[in-house]
Parts: sequence; structure tokens; C-alpha cells
Amino acid sequence: SQTIHQWPATLVQPVGSPLSLECTVEGTSNPNLYWYRQAAGRGLQLLFYSVGIGQISSEVPQNLSASRPQDRQFILSSKKLLLSDSGFYLCAWSVGSGYTFGSGTRLTVV
Amino acid sequence: DQQVKQNSPSLSVQEGRISILNCDYTNSMFDYFLWYKKYPAEGPTFLISISSIKDKNEDGRFTVFLNKSAKHLSLHIVPSQPGDSAVYFCAASSLPYKYIFGTGTRLKVLA
Repeated sequence: SQTIHQWPATLVQPVGSPLSLECTVEGTSNPNLYWYRQAAGRGLQLLFYSVGIGQISSEVPQNLSASRPQDRQFILSSKKLLLSDSGFYLCAWSVGSGYTFGSGTRLTVV
Repeated sequence: DQQVKQNSPSLSVQEGRISILNCDYTNSMFDYFLWYKKYPAEGPTFLISISSIKDKNEDGRFTVFLNKSAKHLSLHIVPSQPGDSAVYFCAASSLPYKYIFGTGTRLKVLA
């Protein structure tokens, strides 16, 4: 069966520090992978999506970047975090219609 | 510009009664719609979907209605249960891999 792993579950980072969130998928090949952020009152905002290794599409200009070094691995990064980067980050995958989400990472930038 | 809108940020319903969650969209090209439920500190989980060729889809206590002319969909939960208390997101797509989510409605089912 397909599973999606996302870590860490919670993270507190100082402003200006780097960020690396990792997401891996098991049980499927060549999935579409996504990073979403849920900020207070903003719903689920699509940040990045990837349809294949090394293929990244950015949806919003921001302080973040994404990479897909392997078929089932998706990484969200930042070189220098801002206070506004705080939020709940969700990785998701899809094969066909609909998404399966990871359990999320609560990031607090202090 | 918010293409998918959930204008009610919160809703309270008595246990056993019907919960109706609404969602409006602006893009007439959207042809597939989803509802997700989200508990705090967890990822959203898929509830029910509907394609634009249908106007109703039912799965147990959950029914989604689609009114294409009004660009409106709704999720009905009957009967509502305390475990249904969560944030509900609707999502819409015109591409096979790109969904736009609404801002969510927090449902509270009162025992």
C-alpha cells in the first residue's frame, strides 16, 4: 500500500536559520509530489509541485525552494527563515485524481 | 484572487442534525471537486469527490452536490456526529494534478 512519510512533526527555528523538511513516498512510482502550507486564515496554499525527478514548479514567490533528488523524495528548503514562514507544511502525492497528504510539520519561526 | 471560496469560516451543528458546508468557485474550467477533512496537527484526509458530469455523489453519511450554473458545491453530513468536528476544505481542479483549495470551514458538532 502507498504511504507518505513527512518529518519532523514539529520544528522551532530562529529567524535567519536554514530549513530542510523531507517527504518520502512508498508503494508507488512516479508520483506527482506537492508541498502545501496552511497558514492561519489562509487555507491550503500550494507552494511547489513536481511531476518528476528534478522537475519543480513554484506557485508563489517566497523564501522557500524545493528539490526532488529521487523519484519518491521531495525536500522543502530555505536558506534563511523569516517570521512569515511559520505555518503548517504538508507534503502530498497523487497518482491520478486527488491527493494523499502527509501528517504535516508545524514550523514556528522565532 | 481566491478561485475557490468557503465563505463560512465556522459552523456549529447539533449532534444528529444535518451539517451543510458550502463552497463557491469562479473558474468555469474546473471539472473535478474534492472535499477533505482535517483534524488539528494532522494532514487532510480525503472524504468525497464529484466530477462535473454529475450533480450529486453520495458516500454513507456524506453527500456532495454540484450546481455548475451557480458554480457552487456543498457537502451534506447526515446525521452529524461529534467525531465530524474538524476543518473541511473543498478543492477544485481543471488539470489532472493541480488542485486549488478553499480556506476551510471549521465544523463543530455539539453533543
